[in-house]
Amino acid sequence: QVQLQESGPGLVKPSETLSLACNVSGGSISRYHWSWIRQSAAKGLEWIGRIYVSGRADYNPSLRSRVSMSVDTSKNQFFLKLISVTAADTAVYYCARSDLEYLQQWGQGTQVTVSS
Amino acid sequence: SYLLTQPPSVSVAPGETARITCGGNNIGSKSVHWYQQKPGQAPVLVIYYDTDRPSGFPERFSGSKSGNTATLTISRVEAGDEADYYCQVWDTNSVVFGGGTKLTVL
Repeated sequence: QVQLQESGPGLVKPSETLSLACNVSGGSISRYHWSWIRQSAAKGLEWIGRIYVSGRADYNPSLRSRVSMSVDTSKNQFFLKLISVTAADTAVYYCARSDLEYLQQWGQGTQVTVSS
Repeated sequence: SYLLTQPPSVSVAPGETARITCGGNNIGSKSVHWYQQKPGQAPVLVIYYDTDRPSGFPERFSGSKSGNTATLTISRVEAGDEADYYCQVWDTNSVVFGGGTKLTVL
């Protein structure tokens, strides 16, 4: 059973870049697709995007101009970067293993707060 | 962007049947997936592709679809089923979530 664990700073200053990593254990990252999702009281669950092992990514249109994702197969990790953050980006961020249409398995989530 | 509509809350007594609906335009042409989220925990997939259940998940959970509405049905509700439930579809290369329904077991 694959396990996922998010890591990264819990506090980011406004206008800076949010960077998170998701460590995949118990299986090869090359076998699946991978997503990032966030959850806030204001917006509920919000899909950020999905990355394929090929490096190709699909992003939420509302975030596309600020988000990028990448994969490091040698470390069994994938990554999220969100630039120019504001308080509206404060949320719990989850990484997840993706099927073509749904999210098979989720990490436990990590709280990210945007504040000076 | 595509919109999924769920009732904010559903209440049911233990042992009864809970039905949580998810509405969307032409939802019949899409596959609907459901997640359960208990307080302080990450969401867990409970139904995928409208009616399929992940291995090991109780048979009390089932999914269906009719017209513009998908429904998650929980039979013989238990106190441990109290949680938020979210529906989800894949639309135009994006994952779309409903707003969530809080299931309260009376």
